[in-house]
Amino acid sequence: QTVVTQEPSFSVSPGETVTLTCGLTSGSVSTTFYPSWYQQTPGQVPRTLIYSTNIRSSGVPDRFSGSILGSKAALTITGAQSEDESDYYCLLYMGSGIYVFGPGTKVTVL
Amino acid sequence: QAQLVQSGAEVKKPGASVKVSCKASGYTFSNYHVHWVRQAPGQGLEWMGIITPSNGVTSYAQKFKGRVSMTRDTSTRTVYMELSSLRSDDTAIYFCAREIGEIGSGVCCSFDYWGQGTLVTVSS
Repeated sequence: QTVVTQEPSFSVSPGETVTLTCGLTSGSVSTTFYPSWYQQTPGQVPRTLIYSTNIRSSGVPDRFSGSILGSKAALTITGAQSEDESDYYCLLYMGSGIYVFGPGTKVTVL
Repeated sequence: QAQLVQSGAEVKKPGASVKVSCKASGYTFSNYHVHWVRQAPGQGLEWMGIITPSNGVTSYAQKFKGRVSMTRDTSTRTVYMELSSLRSDDTAIYFCAREIGEIGSGVCCSFDYWGQGTLVTVSS
């Protein structure tokens, strides 16, 4: 069974750039998986950041961007800010009406 | 402005069932898929399934097949998620979420509006 992968954690200094990835244990992620990205702080409802690989959701700052890097989907935060300290999840459409979340990446800004 | 309002917290015993509601407002109910996502305490997000409100067609994650049922009532603009044979590891916050694009628009596969979440606690 194919599993979605994400880095468990990242630590970044304010103003730095960080790229999170979303891959598969078998195969490559492409635009046909419609990768999307979600930000969640503890106790809060998830917030949609990026959908369909690289489209920013309404109100999302442009320091967040999505892409395909090699065989993975990627979320880049350019110029991280303290308020970006959160958990980040990717979601992939596997076809036939089935979706799978990645395990999430905890981003610390310090 | 679209809005999804979920029912309140539930406490259930192992083996019981729970039915969570998600009432939609502010948009054409039949035109958008609705997803269900859950999050156990301290854990990540888990996609459970999707329902098409216009015709009730559903698709469920393999993990929940046979235990979950998603239905809708178009007269009240409400979708429901029922989970049966509850176990302690079903303790979680359950979210409904509207798919980001209208059905047939070509925009899909993500969410724009989320419900506030419903805590379901399974404990003897």
